Amino acid sequence: ETGVTQTPRHLVMGMTNKKSLKCEQHLGHNAMYWYKQSAKKPLELMFVYSLEERVENNSVPSRFSPECPNSSHLFLHLHTLQPEDSALYLCASSQDLVVAGPYEQYFGPGTRLTVT
Amino acid sequence: GDSVTQMEGPVTLSEEAFLTINCTYTATGYPSLFWYVQYPGEGLQLLLKATKADDKGSNKGFEATYRKETTSFHLEKGSVQVSDSAVYFCALSGTQTGANNLFFGTGTRLTVIP
Repeated sequence: ETGVTQTPRHLVMGMTNKKSLKCEQHLGHNAMYWYKQSAKKPLELMFVYSLEERVENNSVPSRFSPECPNSSHLFLHLHTLQPEDSALYLCASSQDLVVAGPYEQYFGPGTRLTVT
Repeated sequence: GDSVTQMEGPVTLSEEAFLTINCTYTATGYPSLFWYVQYPGEGLQLLLKATKADDKGSNKGFEATYRKETTSFHLEKGSVQVSDSAVYFCALSGTQTGANNLFFGTGTRLTVIP
């Protein structure tokens, strides 16, 4: 595998379910990101991890819970979601944030989430 | 705060037509500017970038020039192909250490017809 991979590619879940999205990067990067992409809205940065520590949490509801066990893996745990959470969830990675940018980010193909 | 505004789509062009997608930004300091492209069913890919005023980024026949005086980074291509059909995102990033603030526009969908 090369680049950034995400699983599953599609997910349908009920509002009472618990599921997890997985992201893996094979680029040797130290920073990883979760974005939400909704129709006709800018990409929303949800979480940023640098060296496995969360450095940014952009007012995301607690029903979204990220986890970064190592620099290659990132998870997004989902529970009691709402229909408006239906979107494409994109993972990205980049070089270490310790050194000043510009920060070129490499994206995975995304997980298309539908909450019923 | 920092933000990006890009022209709303969708944009539909015939093959070999000239393309311009407008992008303007608001930022403190001196951001770097990017264009990303998203092909159907895929994630975003970096298309080109510019890190300082008057820099021109180019790739695959696409160009964009960092214009500080007009705070713009318009994307252009002289002759589009069907394979260029995708969604294009303008983005900016500061150079702040310890955090990453990559701001994206809403995206512009381009459809090129034969």
